[in-house]
Amino acid sequence: NAGVTQTPKFQVLKTGQSMTLQCAQDMNHEYMSWYRQDPGMGLRLIHYSVGAGITDQGEVPNGYNVSRSTTEDFPLRLLSAAPSQTSVYFCASRSGRGNSPLHFGNGTRLTVT
Amino acid sequence: QQQVKQSPQSLIVQKGGISIINCAYENTAFDYFPWYQQFPGKGPALLIAIRPDVSEKKEGRFTISFNKSAKQFSLHIMDSQPGDSATYFCAPSGAGSYQLTFGKGTKLSVIP
Repeated sequence: NAGVTQTPKFQVLKTGQSMTLQCAQDMNHEYMSWYRQDPGMGLRLIHYSVGAGITDQGEVPNGYNVSRSTTEDFPLRLLSAAPSQTSVYFCASRSGRGNSPLHFGNGTRLTVT
Repeated sequence: QQQVKQSPQSLIVQKGGISIINCAYENTAFDYFPWYQQFPGKGPALLIAIRPDVSEKKEGRFTISFNKSAKQFSLHIMDSQPGDSATYFCAPSGAGSYQLTFGKGTKLSVIP
């Protein structure tokens, strides 16, 4: 059972480049979300989805796009990377309602120069 | 944005000692109180969680204490080991929580 899989593990971008961070889960979870983790800031929610075709913004959505065409996949797109987007990105999913545990991937470390 | 305050930011404990991390929240509708553990280079993983029908839950060396009236819950690590060195996060939530707020994390270092 793979759980939540994120690719790539590491990425270096130049300012203005675009890229997609991939996230896939094999647990049939309806809820999926993206967080960024920065030193001293904890985990901050970027976007989330409660099912295929339904997405919404979190605390820090600017500069990021998401879509959810299947239950399994929830990609995060950076349209024009900026140095402020240098961070570690985590995808997480859960079954059921808000009072159930999140399952995290192992993250993508992104550096924007 | 619901406030979640976690303390301390960092903690150094001798091997065999007790580590205590606290989390305070505001939303009285929360009914799920988890602690996540994160090792370097890995994603957070659920360590232990409690629901408000009990005031304490123990799993091995890890115990959650819950104080509903004070809107606080704590993680106690007994007989702390170097392998417990990690960052710990609280993230209280309720059934209708779609935008979870995490505490800012506590970096625990257990020294031999």
